[in-house]
Amino acid sequence: AQSVTQLGSHVSVSEGALVLLRCNYSSSVPPYLFWYVQYPNQGLQLLLKYTSAATLVKGINGFEAEFKKSETSFHLTKPSAHMSDAAEYFCAVMFSGGYNKLIFGAGTRLAVHP
Amino acid sequence: ETGVTQSPTHLIKTRGQQVTLRCSSQSGHNTVSWYQQALGQGPQFIFQYYREEENGRGNFPPRFSGLQFPNYSSELNVNALELDDSALYLCASTSSGGARSYEQYFGPGTRLTVT
Repeated sequence: AQSVTQLGSHVSVSEGALVLLRCNYSSSVPPYLFWYVQYPNQGLQLLLKYTSAATLVKGINGFEAEFKKSETSFHLTKPSAHMSDAAEYFCAVMFSGGYNKLIFGAGTRLAVHP
Repeated sequence: ETGVTQSPTHLIKTRGQQVTLRCSSQSGHNTVSWYQQALGQGPQFIFQYYREEENGRGNFPPRFSGLQFPNYSSELNVNALELDDSALYLCASTSSGGARSYEQYFGPGTRLTVT
């Protein structure tokens, strides 16, 4: 069965510091992996996706993620945090068996302080 | 390009009542998925519609049902509401086939409160 684990429900960083949000997955087949961001009282916005091409994936707003098969990880990083990055971040794996559904982690709330 | 829209934004219902939530998919998208996001949790897949038929379902009881219309808009219906149905309901659309068939684009959600 496919599942996603996000380590750390809350992460706090200083403005300008490195952002690292952790995601590990379990899947019996090579997965498609996604990071979504959710701002308060809004829906989900796609940040980036891995679909078996380059293992280092660049997304919007300066975020990137690296797929590491040996570690079953897909951690999200940003070199320098901005106040506007404060939001909830969700890692997801796609189940693809006749239809596509996303299986989400529990989310990590990122706080950025001055 | 018009994004995914949902209505209403907020809704308050009483236990036992029925509710209908609506979703208009992004232009050019023919597949709609619905997710339930309880407070403090990640979204959970309810079901997916393609060509007006349900083609996948998550672990939700039959009182959760849906429709997809010829213009690809969709409805989520929930009967016999329970307190635990209180959540943010998210609709996501995608275009089947092609390089972007794995990208799901989400609407802003409908916040349902059951009292």
